[in-house]
Amino acid sequence: DVKVTQSSRYLVKRTGEKVFLECVQDMDHENMFWYRQDPGLGLRLIYFSYDVKMKEKGDIPEGYSVSREKKERFSLILESASTNQTSMYLCASSTPAAATYEQYFGPGTRLTVT
Amino acid sequence: AQSVAQPEDQVNVAEGNPLTVKCTYSVSGNPYLFWYVQYPNRGLQFLLKYITGDNLVKGSYGFEAEFNKSQTSFHLKKPSALVSDSALYFCAVRGYQNNLFFGTGTRLTVIP
Repeated sequence: DVKVTQSSRYLVKRTGEKVFLECVQDMDHENMFWYRQDPGLGLRLIYFSYDVKMKEKGDIPEGYSVSREKKERFSLILESASTNQTSMYLCASSTPAAATYEQYFGPGTRLTVT
Repeated sequence: AQSVAQPEDQVNVAEGNPLTVKCTYSVSGNPYLFWYVQYPNRGLQFLLKYITGDNLVKGSYGFEAEFNKSQTSFHLKKPSALVSDSALYFCAVRGYQNNLFFGTGTRLTVIP
């Protein structure tokens, strides 16, 4: 079974702090994704990556950056956290080899910025 | 542009009754459609997908979905609801490259 893990389930940070959210997958997937989930808005794509050191902006990249130095790890960085970044953050992975495009999700990190 | 719509924020159904969670889609080309479920404080779990073939797709936990091209719909169904089916359900469509576009979610409550 595919396993996607996220470094924290709950995180509380102060406004202006630099925040790192880590995601690791164990299935050698090429594709990795970061979403944020907000009530009434569903999941919105922040950034994604198709390979090591590659990244692409999603629908809401402002205020975020990412890093993918190793295939199994995809980090989301909030350079200067703000209260409007309080949300649930979900990481996912997939492989194009399966040609099915389904994504496998981690358990999520609930981030509160005060 | 690809998108999906889930017209109902909340669906309530009595235990043992059939349930339907609605989804409509808009795509250019052939749609790749998905349903995911999210239990409280958990990530999303894959339920089923439609890529091609039979319009009735069977998935996990007794769920199925019916693809209707003329109505551009992909409704999730189950013949007999369980209390444990209470969760948040997301419809998704494959977008550009390998991305998925998700709907806003429908909260299903099964009443004992």
